[in-house]
Amino acid sequence: QQQVKQSPQSLIVQKGGISIINCAYENTAFDYFPWYQQFPGKGPALLIAIRPDVSEKKEGRFTISFNKSAKQFSLHIMDSQPGDSATYFCAAGSKAGFQKLVFGTGTRLLVSP
Amino acid sequence: EPEVTQTPSHQVTQMGQEVILRCVPISNHLYFYWYRQILGQKVEFLVSFYNNEISEKSEIFDDQFSVERPDGSNFTLKIRSTKLEDSAMYFCASSVDISGNTIYFGEGSWLTVV
Repeated sequence: QQQVKQSPQSLIVQKGGISIINCAYENTAFDYFPWYQQFPGKGPALLIAIRPDVSEKKEGRFTISFNKSAKQFSLHIMDSQPGDSATYFCAAGSKAGFQKLVFGTGTRLLVSP
Repeated sequence: EPEVTQTPSHQVTQMGQEVILRCVPISNHLYFYWYRQILGQKVEFLVSFYNNEISEKSEIFDDQFSVERPDGSNFTLKIRSTKLEDSAMYFCASSVDISGNTIYFGEGSWLTVV
């Protein structure tokens, strides 16, 4: 019940295209859903996060869509650029769990020039 | 921008040796965490720490692991007797509070046990 399922495992997108990564969770106690970007040898860096009281959040080219009833959320990267090539992790946390984050398995994104 | 700093960036140790990984969280943060990432796998929660005590720990965080905030600025993870399977990248993280504010991660300490 603590798992967060992430797909796809890897994704190749052409420059300028839209990258879409999906995550699903089961634990309804989760109330915080961040996305992290990780480059090789670096720590995860927060990209964007959403709470379940909104269905969508947009920051620049990055948008989170959240479907509370389906217990799913997704990351959309508009106008994908080669510099976006990285591994993306979704995560979920809850105040009750001291914001212990449960991470998805990661999606390796490659944006081809 | 404030950041979480970790040392060392890479450590190689012999099996059975003790290792201490050090972290300096962001100065006004109150909640501290250790996570680890085995090569090519997902990031896994180890432990959270608040008000000088462990608030939650995972099943990975067994008796071989301990955490400490020895001097009000550093936050350390000690592995008492390392095993080969402890080889991983260890990330320290911190947040201001638990109301959903950003959890900031450090760059990681890569531990290789041989």
